[in-house]
Amino acid sequence: GAVVSQHPSRVICKSGTSVKIECRSLDFQATTMFWYRQFPKQSLMLMATSNEGSKATYEQGVEKDKFLINHASLTLSTLTVTSAHPEDSSFYICSAREPSGGSYEQYFGPGTRLTVT
Amino acid sequence: QKEVEQNSGPLSVPEGAIASLNCTYSDRGSQSFFWYRQYSGKSPELIMSIYSNGDKEDGRFTAQLNKASQYVSLLIRDSQPSDSATYLCAARGASIQGAQKLVFGQGTRLTINP
Repeated sequence: GAVVSQHPSRVICKSGTSVKIECRSLDFQATTMFWYRQFPKQSLMLMATSNEGSKATYEQGVEKDKFLINHASLTLSTLTVTSAHPEDSSFYICSAREPSGGSYEQYFGPGTRLTVT
Repeated sequence: QKEVEQNSGPLSVPEGAIASLNCTYSDRGSQSFFWYRQYSGKSPELIMSIYSNGDKEDGRFTAQLNKASQYVSLLIRDSQPSDSATYLCAARGASIQGAQKLVFGQGTRLTINP
């Protein structure tokens, strides 16, 4: 299967600072990447869909000015959590859609655990 | 009504038995369905995708799709303790806007007892 990496795997930051998370597709070009958030014992919540070369599409209730997404190349999307607060502490996971053959399969990165103190 | 529904469990199955996980979806236009496995503290891993009515087998896993009943299931034969995880069912959005997105169920926690 396709391989997606994320960096960092774990980050602790102080309240009010910004954190950038990188998501890379390692062995394929991903025109579309997705950012999810998952709180403990809950399912995945889609935050936004990131398309290479265009603005991200945010889900209802997700603040686009707080969660900045940039998809500058076919293998890299970044999520920046700006002015982080303790309630932003969560498990952030990206996925990439492997486009060959019309497949809609999404492959997930290993996730980034964010703790805001 | 949630778009994709799963029994949250926990579902306990003895080792070696068949584990049966079920999922229903509300959007009749959904065409593609996926099963992901998620171990505690890890990200989801794709196990199976299914697009047509009927069964699809891959090793110990069988996915079943019934579009008329809007029902997807995953069978795990010869269950192993390493199969203990949360299993997420996902459906691809049918609308033009949602066509790229996956809608996930809340997941079923499966425990295989040795």
